[in-house]
Amino acid sequence: DTGVSQDPRHKITKRGQNVTFRCDPISEHNRLYWYRQTLGQGPEFLTYFQNEAQLEKSRLLSDRFSAERPKGSFSTLEIQRTEQGDSAMYLCASSFGLQGSNIQYFGAGTRLSVL
Amino acid sequence: GQSLEQPSEVTAVEGAIVQINCTYQTSGFYGLSWYQQHDGGAPTFLSYNGLDGLEETGRFSSFLSRSDSYGYLLLQELQMKDSASYFCAVRLLIYNQGGKLIFGQGTELSVKP
Repeated sequence: DTGVSQDPRHKITKRGQNVTFRCDPISEHNRLYWYRQTLGQGPEFLTYFQNEAQLEKSRLLSDRFSAERPKGSFSTLEIQRTEQGDSAMYLCASSFGLQGSNIQYFGAGTRLSVL
Repeated sequence: GQSLEQPSEVTAVEGAIVQINCTYQTSGFYGLSWYQQHDGGAPTFLSYNGLDGLEETGRFSSFLSRSDSYGYLLLQELQMKDSASYFCAVRLLIYNQGGKLIFGQGTELSVKP
């Protein structure tokens, strides 16, 4: 499978713990996005990378959230001191192109449950 | 702010045609996309309109009117497997041509036999 892969698929943690998610985009895709989706809602944009540079962050992304994309390949999203409100599906998407692409390819997501 | 409105749910029978409408109010607009998401699955790209008019891809068509801030997704010859959530999403141009998506809340389509 050469699609976007995310790991883990499910994560259960206790409030106050730190968690880290990984996203492997489609190879050669230079753009990578993180979104968050809660039940019954559409995905909400969190942050965007072009290659290794993080170029935009949503106001939704508090100081407890940090994302990296070393070497412009895979990306990690870390949440520190998790809160129950962080429970959601975290989706990663990638696209390709110098001028951007109209198509973003999504992974199946990491479902986070904070107890 | 940014807002997109679409119906929360639609029900139709196999073989029928269904239209899912989307109106949007966003600061900045580059295009309108449609995504399908089955329960527990990844959102999957269906269609994109950058210009006014109709785009056709197999059983799916999408329409955009930029002057009306309105678009729709048309699904023909409905099949049971089309039961899913459908999201319209406005593509905004952000730094260096990145295109972040602003999603609607989704329309849950139920296809009945």
